[in-house]
Amino acid sequence: EDQVTQSPEALRLQEGESSSLNCSYTVSGLRGLFWYRQDPGKGPEFLFTLYSAGEEKEKERLKATLTKKESFLHITAPKPEDSATYLCAPAISGGYNKLIFGAGTRLAVHP
Amino acid sequence: DGGITQSPKYLFRKEGQNVTLSCEQNLNHDAMYWYRQDPGQGLRLIYYSQIVNDFQKGDIAEGYSVSREKKESFPLTVTSAQKNPTAFYLCASSNLAGNTGELFFGEGSRLTVL
Repeated sequence: EDQVTQSPEALRLQEGESSSLNCSYTVSGLRGLFWYRQDPGKGPEFLFTLYSAGEEKEKERLKATLTKKESFLHITAPKPEDSATYLCAPAISGGYNKLIFGAGTRLAVHP
Repeated sequence: DGGITQSPKYLFRKEGQNVTLSCEQNLNHDAMYWYRQDPGQGLRLIYYSQIVNDFQKGDIAEGYSVSREKKESFPLTVTSAQKNPTAFYLCASSNLAGNTGELFFGEGSRLTVL
């Protein structure tokens, strides 16, 4: 059975305190892994797609990395505006654009 | 600006009533999707459509129905058969090229059953 686990469920950081969010997955036929940001009451916003182990992508204070079993979202020197829920979603073979979403990590960055 | 428009943003329904959530996109995407989001859970796929006049059930289709009469539109009806309809509903679209294109999401519709 395809499974995605994100940890921690919630994370509180002080402004400037770097940390990492984890996405562990057990899926068959991985075709890529997506990271999204979701603000309360809003739809998810696309951040990154990673396609192969060892790949890294960066955007401002965020860097996503991928291994064969995990993906990490590293947040360097976060600011309060980085507060959101971060979702990861492996894309798997299934005849269509099939994404398996994790439950997300709620990040709160305090000044 | 291109994007996905969902309406209404908030909807209240009495038990036993059907309701329809609207989703319109102007991104010229072939594929459209409906997801349900509940607290503490990942997004779950209700229905998807890869082409006009064709759609497929996702993981939790029971109690829901959809139509795809136009490329731009993919409305979702929550029927009285859905046992626990209170949730946040998200519509998304994607290009089919390569079949691993990112999903673009709307702002969501929050349905509350009274």
